[in-house]
Amino acid sequence: KQEVTQIPAALSVPEGENLVLNCSFTDSAIYNLQWFRQDPGKGLTSLLLIQSSQREQTSGRLNASLDKSSGRSTLYIAASQPGDSATYLCAVTPQGGSEKLVFGKGTKLTVNP
Amino acid sequence: KAGVTQTPRYLIKTRGQQVTLSCSPISGHRSVSWYQQTPGQGLQFLFEYFSETQRNKGNFPGRFSGRQFSNSRSEMNVSTLELGDSALYLCASSRQRQGWGPRETQYFGPGTRLLVL
Repeated sequence: KQEVTQIPAALSVPEGENLVLNCSFTDSAIYNLQWFRQDPGKGLTSLLLIQSSQREQTSGRLNASLDKSSGRSTLYIAASQPGDSATYLCAVTPQGGSEKLVFGKGTKLTVNP
Repeated sequence: KAGVTQTPRYLIKTRGQQVTLSCSPISGHRSVSWYQQTPGQGLQFLFEYFSETQRNKGNFPGRFSGRQFSNSRSEMNVSTLELGDSALYLCASSRQRQGWGPRETQYFGPGTRLLVL
């Protein structure tokens, strides 16, 4: 059974700091890994999608890496801003012909001005 | 292009009632999935539909059901509501590809917040 873990559960940093969020998964048989952002009481916004054959993806100040063999992914946020405050969720799509996502519990990020 | 829409956004029900939630995927997306989000359990997969067929189902009781229409819109129904069904219900759509291989980004709606009293 695929399990996804995110550490830390919460993180507070001063504005401008570079930071790394971690995600680990137990089964390497995945199609892809996605990072999402969720603002309080809202839906999920897709940030980055890394296919299983890829090592990393970048979008603006965000960079996500994937090491499928070790079951790990990181989300790097450069020059953090107060607007980056949100919960960040990692999810994998297990292989098997379905679109089902298995999520971690998320990391709640607070960026202080 | 319009995003995923969900209606209603908020619902208050009492125990024992039933509820129907609706999801309209992004135009051209044929796959629709449903998730339940609670503070304790996080995001849990309910079911996935493609071309009006349920392709996968999570570990939820039979009180949770769904369907998909020919225009890809989907509904989920919860019968005999329990207090523990209070949650944010999220719908996601994607451009489904047949068979094995890479999967594309899933796009989520804003959710329906259900409160059971």
